[in-house]
Amino acid sequence: DAKTTQPPSMDCAEGRAANLPCNHSTISGNEYVYWYRQIHSQGPQYIIHGLKNNETNEMASLIITEDRKSSTLILPHATLRDTAVYYCIVRFITQGGSEKLVFGKGTKLTVNP
Amino acid sequence: GAVVSQHPSRVICKSGTSVKIECRSLDFQATTMFWYRQFPKQSLMLMATSNEGSKATYEQGVEKDKFLINHASLTLSTLTVTSAHPEDSSFYICSASPGQFYNSPLHFGNGTRLTVT
Repeated sequence: DAKTTQPPSMDCAEGRAANLPCNHSTISGNEYVYWYRQIHSQGPQYIIHGLKNNETNEMASLIITEDRKSSTLILPHATLRDTAVYYCIVRFITQGGSEKLVFGKGTKLTVNP
Repeated sequence: GAVVSQHPSRVICKSGTSVKIECRSLDFQATTMFWYRQFPKQSLMLMATSNEGSKATYEQGVEKDKFLINHASLTLSTLTVTSAHPEDSSFYICSASPGQFYNSPLHFGNGTRLTVT
């Protein structure tokens, strides 16, 4: 089962910041939060990941709350090409020692002109 | 950056035949690869974890005799859909990571669209 919950859809105006929330209230101390996005009929594209500090790269920023129970992905200046399904994922180790990356339903972001 | 390649990108086969899908890590070695399946308008579902040199670990409800996984080298994992049926038609995606678990992103192939007629 996915360990994250996200709103099913969001809209954003082109050129504005897109803020995508994610809830991961059962996250453990050593589990990272990953964000991916998927454009129709393609494999997921890695965006960013973090543990507890905020992170920024050329694509996005990741803000993680102090209690680590939620995070927000920020696309600072959304473009039409950012329209995709965005997945927030917790990467974890099972009791059997294997690791998993389980996808939830994601957020369908639509960037409007 | 790390690249994962899948082949073929699209395949059509007849019911009862078998189809092999290849997943390669092009510029890194991967002891573990993951296979996902995605039906239209749904999220990715983890099918199995492919381990180099050992048996794959299958998720609950995934038939290991139907979806054969072989991870014979550090850069290649294959998924064979045996005796395919129309309900096996789906988008199959593999992923791999160049590093240790948590702090190394998984990179995904571009998927294989399987259509069983």
